[in-house]
Amino acid sequence: NAGVTQTPKFRVLKTGQSMTLLCAQDMNHEYMYWYRQDPGMGLRLIHYSVGEGTTAKGEVPDGYNVSRLKKQNFLLGLESAAPSQTSVYFCASSSGGAPGEQYFGPGTRLTVT
Amino acid sequence: SQKIEQNSEALNIQEGKTATLTCNYTNYSPAYLQWYRQDPGRGPVFLLLIRENEKEKRKERLKVTFDTTLKQSLFHITASQPADSATYLCAPGALNAGNMLTFGGGTRLMVKP
Repeated sequence: NAGVTQTPKFRVLKTGQSMTLLCAQDMNHEYMYWYRQDPGMGLRLIHYSVGEGTTAKGEVPDGYNVSRLKKQNFLLGLESAAPSQTSVYFCASSSGGAPGEQYFGPGTRLTVT
Repeated sequence: SQKIEQNSEALNIQEGKTATLTCNYTNYSPAYLQWYRQDPGRGPVFLLLIRENEKEKRKERLKVTFDTTLKQSLFHITASQPADSATYLCAPGALNAGNMLTFGGGTRLMVKP
């Protein structure tokens, strides 16, 4: 099992450009999450999904959109990137049973210039 | 708003000693608390879960306590090894839709041989 994978690993964007981060899990998990991690701050939840076709806002959703068209995939989109979105992005998944441990991907380092 | 505090200063200890990390929370009544380990450039990895009705949980050299009166969790690593050097994150959680966690900023542990 690959667990949780993220694509790409690194990306540099110019302000105003758009991109999509892909998260895939092969554990048949119901719940998936997108976090960002900035120096000196904890992981902050951007959006999450409790099942295929569902999404919900987390703590810091502004400037991001998500989609969960397939159970195994969770996409995070930036429509118009801003320097404030420079961060490391982590995807995670859990089985959905409470309180479920979360399995994290390796992260995507995004720089917006 | 919820606040999760972990010592932002690195904890340096000698190999073989017990490391104790602290997690304090305010404006929050979590139903459980999880601890994760994060190595540089990698995603967090789940270590232990403790529920609000449990005082203590053990797993091999790890021990977690949860004091809902003090609003504090302590994470202990006994007989520490250089391989234990990493950042440790605490994450209280509620039994809500999505089983969302709120992460602390993490404490970096350095175990010296």
